[in-house]
Amino acid sequence: KNQVEQSPQSLIILEGKNCTLQCNYTVSPFSNLRWYKQDTGRGPVSLTIMTFSENTKSNGRYTATLDADTKQSSLHITASQLSDSASYICVVSSDYKLSFGAGTTVTVRA
Amino acid sequence: DAGVIQSPRHEVTEMGQEVTLRCKPISGHNSLFWYRQTMMRGLELLIYFNNNVPIDDSGMPEDRFSAKMPNASFSTLKIQPSEPRDSAVYFCASSYPGLAYEQYFGPGTRLTVT
Repeated sequence: KNQVEQSPQSLIILEGKNCTLQCNYTVSPFSNLRWYKQDTGRGPVSLTIMTFSENTKSNGRYTATLDADTKQSSLHITASQLSDSASYICVVSSDYKLSFGAGTTVTVRA
Repeated sequence: DAGVIQSPRHEVTEMGQEVTLRCKPISGHNSLFWYRQTMMRGLELLIYFNNNVPIDDSGMPEDRFSAKMPNASFSTLKIQPSEPRDSAVYFCASSYPGLAYEQYFGPGTRLTVT
């Protein structure tokens, strides 16, 4: 069964600090992996999309990594801001199927 | 571009009633997705259209749910009859053809079935 596991479920960090979110998957075959940011009451917004051959992709202060051999991905947030408070969802696609993680809720405090 | 447009933004209805959610994708996008999001189950893909044709509807929970895309600029998700467990936020998203491209989500429709 295709699964996507995210950790931690939630975390609280101080403004200006860094944090890393984890995503482990068992999806096969693998097409791509994407990270979404979802603010409360809004639709998800794509941060990165990574294919099999990509190890790292950045979008501003967000950097995603992918290890296709171990089927692990991480999302690193640098110098966190209050606006980074949101849910971050990992999604893995396989052909025309999408598998979703439950998300990590990040709270940034001043 | 106005982005993906969904209507209504909020819908409250009684159990047994028919509910129709509407979506206008971004112009030029050939793929359209309907999602459901709840606290318990997170984000789930219900159905995926490519060039107005349903490609994968395996996420549609049961026969009470149906989706149509009569043309490239409009799609509907219908629930008939609605049940309290259908209460959720329903998102529509669009993208260029296939799953390799970024999906743009609409603001969602919050459905409450009493």
